[in-house]
Amino acid sequence: GDSVTQMEGPVTLSEEAFLTINCTYTATGYPSLFWYVQYPGEGLQLLLKATKADDKGSNKGFEATYRKETTSFHLEKGSVQVSDSAVYFCAGGGSQGNLIFGKGTKLSVKP
Amino acid sequence: NAGVMQNPRHLVRRRGQEARLRCSPMKGHSHVYWYRQLPEEGLKFMVYLQKENIIDESGMPKERFSAEFPKEGPSILRIQQVVRGDSAAYFCASSPRLGQGAGTEAFFGQGTRLTVV
Repeated sequence: GDSVTQMEGPVTLSEEAFLTINCTYTATGYPSLFWYVQYPGEGLQLLLKATKADDKGSNKGFEATYRKETTSFHLEKGSVQVSDSAVYFCAGGGSQGNLIFGKGTKLSVKP
Repeated sequence: NAGVMQNPRHLVRRRGQEARLRCSPMKGHSHVYWYRQLPEEGLKFMVYLQKENIIDESGMPKERFSAEFPKEGPSILRIQQVVRGDSAAYFCASSPRLGQGAGTEAFFGQGTRLTVV
């Protein structure tokens, strides 16, 4: 069935470091792909998305490119801030019309 | 346009009681999804509903759990005879439509944190 595999954390970085969180998706087709972010005690917010191959989603300095060959959607940011500390979830549109989530990656950024 | 509204935000129940979690989707959204998040874990899909229909309940435990999304009113996730293992955060999301190629994201509520004592 459909599944999302996401790099497990936790990830601890210093401020201004480069961030990569890997995500790959297994599906029969080419679903839309998403990154969501969850701040402590809150619900999930959409960070960025891509609807087709080679699409690049970007928001708040974060980027992810939909690679068709590998069905990957790795999240990157060139210079992280303390305020980026959160849990990041990769997700894909499932064949049943729902969203399939990865297990989440907890990011902690130290000043 | 108000976002997805879940209530209550926090719910405490004794073992054996019933828990009712409510979710009002965003205006114009006819699709509702329920997810469960255990402490320090990811999100597990439970059920996907459209108005008056259950589309996919493959993630829902077969016993004690039920969900509905009536024509009028919020979606309800009901847990009967709660046990300690039901303690978790339950998130509701809504969308106009999801699926391959749709490109439409889901919008999440703040969640209901259920504690069973």
